[in-house]
Amino acid sequence: DAGVIQSPRHEVTEMGQEVTLRCKPISGHNSLFWYRQTMMRGLELLIYFNNNVPIDDSGMPEDRFSAKMPNASFSTLKIQPSEPRDSAVYFCASTGRDSYTDTQYFGPGTRLTVL
Amino acid sequence: DQQVKQNSPSLSVQEGRISILNCDYTNSMFDYFLWYKKYPAEGPTFLISISSIKDKNEDGRFTVFLNKSAKHLSLHIVPSQPGDSAVYFCAAQWTGANSKLTFGKGITLSVRP
Repeated sequence: DAGVIQSPRHEVTEMGQEVTLRCKPISGHNSLFWYRQTMMRGLELLIYFNNNVPIDDSGMPEDRFSAKMPNASFSTLKIQPSEPRDSAVYFCASTGRDSYTDTQYFGPGTRLTVL
Repeated sequence: DQQVKQNSPSLSVQEGRISILNCDYTNSMFDYFLWYKKYPAEGPTFLISISSIKDKNEDGRFTVFLNKSAKHLSLHIVPSQPGDSAVYFCAAQWTGANSKLTFGKGITLSVRP
């Protein structure tokens, strides 16, 4: 299995631009998580889906962030408009059943830089 | 409000010696704890876990200890190897429907040859 796939791996954009990050979970997994990693806050959960339905989006920082999962094999995290403070590494992870003690498998991350 | 705290940002040890990575938590509802390891330019990977019904779990060179009364867990690596140099994240959750992992900020371990 290819594991969790994220694209792009690096994104550099200017403040005010729209940014879309993409994730393909491991085939057969039905829970998907979006995380953000920063030096100050470590790994923060932004949102997670179970069977393509958003379960908990309490970690989404503000309305500029939105996430979708139109089917079991694809999810997007969108930031519009982007700001310099959004610069971070964004990870997607998936797991096999629900999140009940199942190991989460992480993608390689997207390093976002907003100038 | 950090519910999972890794207060030491970095640790450096000599190859062959023991590495002890500490983690504290504040939420008494947490009953399952995990350690993840992260190399540069890669995502975190699962290392070892422990349920609150145990106080120790061992897997090869890695052992996790849990002290529920102190809300403290630690990861021991014996013997440490240069390939263990990475960022280690402690994570916790309460086991139940729609539960989620709460991560600490991570500790950067450097193992000197």
